[in-house]
Amino acid sequence: GQQLNQSPQSMFIQEGEDVSMNCTSSSIFNTWLWYKQDPGEGPVLLIALYKAGELTSNGRLTAQFGITRKDSFLNISASIPSDVGIYFCAGLVSGSARQLTFGSGTQLTVLP
Amino acid sequence: DTGVSQDPRHKITKRGQNVTFRCDPISEHNRLYWYRQTLGQGPEFLTYFQNEAQLEKSRLLSDRFSAERPKGSFSTLEIQRTEQGDSAMYLCASSPGQGETQYFGPGTRLLVL
Repeated sequence: GQQLNQSPQSMFIQEGEDVSMNCTSSSIFNTWLWYKQDPGEGPVLLIALYKAGELTSNGRLTAQFGITRKDSFLNISASIPSDVGIYFCAGLVSGSARQLTFGSGTQLTVLP
Repeated sequence: DTGVSQDPRHKITKRGQNVTFRCDPISEHNRLYWYRQTLGQGPEFLTYFQNEAQLEKSRLLSDRFSAERPKGSFSTLEIQRTEQGDSAMYLCASSPGQGETQYFGPGTRLLVL
């Protein structure tokens, strides 16, 4: 089946620093989504990417859909304490299959 | 609040009991999904509805699991004869007819003792 490799698994950064995380796959995806999940809650959508090469920003977050359609990255600039959480990438192959394939997550800790 | 809602948020049950979870999608979203998430992992797809039709089921969905969406609005996920391995967070998501973006509910955390 399809698998997403997400890295790093965890990060400890100082408040104000920039963060970068990425996902790679052996399969092609038509859509990449980035979610953030707080403990005990469901994933919250951050950014959606629909075209290869697309670069999209949402406030301090920027994500890109890789040209090969097999990877995506998420950058967070000037991190703040509320950025703490688990970030997941998810890929979707359009067509009859509607299931999202998720990475294993990046646990982000922001130190004051 | 017009997001996806799930009920209950937490459920503790004894092995062998049946449990049922409910999901109310975002209004007018005709696609509804169920996922399961275990600790330290990303969500894994279980099943998907378009309106009231269940169009896809994962191999993770054993015979003890059944999902319904009788009127194309809310959905229920039932687990019969629960096992300790069923302990997980069960997430529901919905998406509009056009577009692929899935919006998740807060989840139901199940603990089977």
